[in-house]
Amino acid sequence: AQSVSQHNHHVILSEAASLELGCNYSYGGTVNLFWYVQYPGQHLQLLLKYFSGDPLVKGIKGFEAEFIKSKFSFNLRKPSVQWSDTAEYFCAVNAPNNDMRFGAGTRLTVKP
Amino acid sequence: DTGVSQDPRHKITKRGQNVTFRCDPISEHNRLYWYRQTLGQGPEFLTYFQNEAQLEKSRLLSDRFSAERPKGSFSTLEIQRTEQGDSAMYLCASSHALNGLYEQYFGPGTRLTVT
Repeated sequence: AQSVSQHNHHVILSEAASLELGCNYSYGGTVNLFWYVQYPGQHLQLLLKYFSGDPLVKGIKGFEAEFIKSKFSFNLRKPSVQWSDTAEYFCAVNAPNNDMRFGAGTRLTVKP
Repeated sequence: DTGVSQDPRHKITKRGQNVTFRCDPISEHNRLYWYRQTLGQGPEFLTYFQNEAQLEKSRLLSDRFSAERPKGSFSTLEIQRTEQGDSAMYLCASSHALNGLYEQYFGPGTRLTVT
């Protein structure tokens, strides 16, 4: 069965620091990969997605993620975080025709 | 607003009571999903529909849970004889199964509190 691991439960950064959140999945076939964000009091929103092609994908608000097939990883990055990036970030994986599996989430706190 | 909507947003019920939640997906989406999310965890898959057919159910879904999507549009999730462990956020999402692209759009959720 598919599973998703997010290595960091809570990350605390100062504004302008660089961010990298880890995500690893276990599934040997072709997968679709996603990062969702949940701002305080709001519902889940799609940040970025990877289906095929260029393994470096760019999303909204300056976020990007790199798919490394050999490492089964899809890490999220942002060069310079802002206070408004404080949120919970979820990595998710689905294989075509299968349901979506989410990681446990990483809470990001950005200190002003 | 043409996003996914859920009703009610909050539900407080006593243990043993039945509750029903409704989800209205984005109109052209033929797939509809239900998830449960507890504090500090990611959403856990419960079940999904393609049109009116329920194609998969998680083993997490006990027989007290039932979901329907009678006309392939809105869906309901019913929990019978609620237990305190059912307290969670119940999320609905929808997607369009086209060319294998299953990007899901989430609703705001229904927060259930069982007292």
